[in-house]
Amino acid sequence: QQQVRQSPQSLTVWEGETAILNCSYENSAFDYFPWYQQFPGEGPALLIAIRSVSDKKEDGRFTIFFNKREKKLSLHITDSQPGDSATYFCAASDQGGSAKLIFGEGTKLTVSS
Amino acid sequence: NAGVIQTPRHKVTGKGQEATLWCEPISGHSAVFWYRQTIVQGLEFLTYFRNQAPIDDSGMPKERFSAQMPNQSHSTLKIQSTQPQDSAVYLCASSLEGEQYFGPGTRLTVL
Repeated sequence: QQQVRQSPQSLTVWEGETAILNCSYENSAFDYFPWYQQFPGEGPALLIAIRSVSDKKEDGRFTIFFNKREKKLSLHITDSQPGDSATYFCAASDQGGSAKLIFGEGTKLTVSS
Repeated sequence: NAGVIQTPRHKVTGKGQEATLWCEPISGHSAVFWYRQTIVQGLEFLTYFRNQAPIDDSGMPKERFSAQMPNQSHSTLKIQSTQPQDSAVYLCASSLEGEQYFGPGTRLTVL
């Protein structure tokens, strides 16, 4: 049973556009949602994270929108750059991040110039 | 500030051999997590330690896999009698107050 789901599986945007990556979850106990960026041959790098008490978290060009009622969140990448081309993983944890992370399947983002 | 260090970066073993993977967490971090990444299964949790004590090993295959954290500066993941289906990238992460930081991973290939 996949507890965290991501869509789309792959996404292509033009340089300068906003990329929107979606994530949904099933477990109401999840209260911490980090997004990771992964380049080929590297480990996942923490990009931005949100806790369930908030509905929005912003860090530069990256923004998480969180809807607790619908159990959905999204990552918006504004002014997308070719260097943003990577796979993005949504994850969830039920102890504020102090316990194991459950990962989604990932979204492969390609930014074309 | 060095990140999480994992050695070796690549390991090739024959079927039935043992493989030991090493992880050095970020200095001062109290928790160490092990995950496995494959194309088919994605990123899967294996086990984690907090202050060197095992907390949750619910993701560990019950046979052949074991993990230890003998001191605060390193953890090991041991796979006995490796099988081709064990081929994966094994990732270690450490955290202090919730945020988990990953190492580059060890790519294990079982022939």
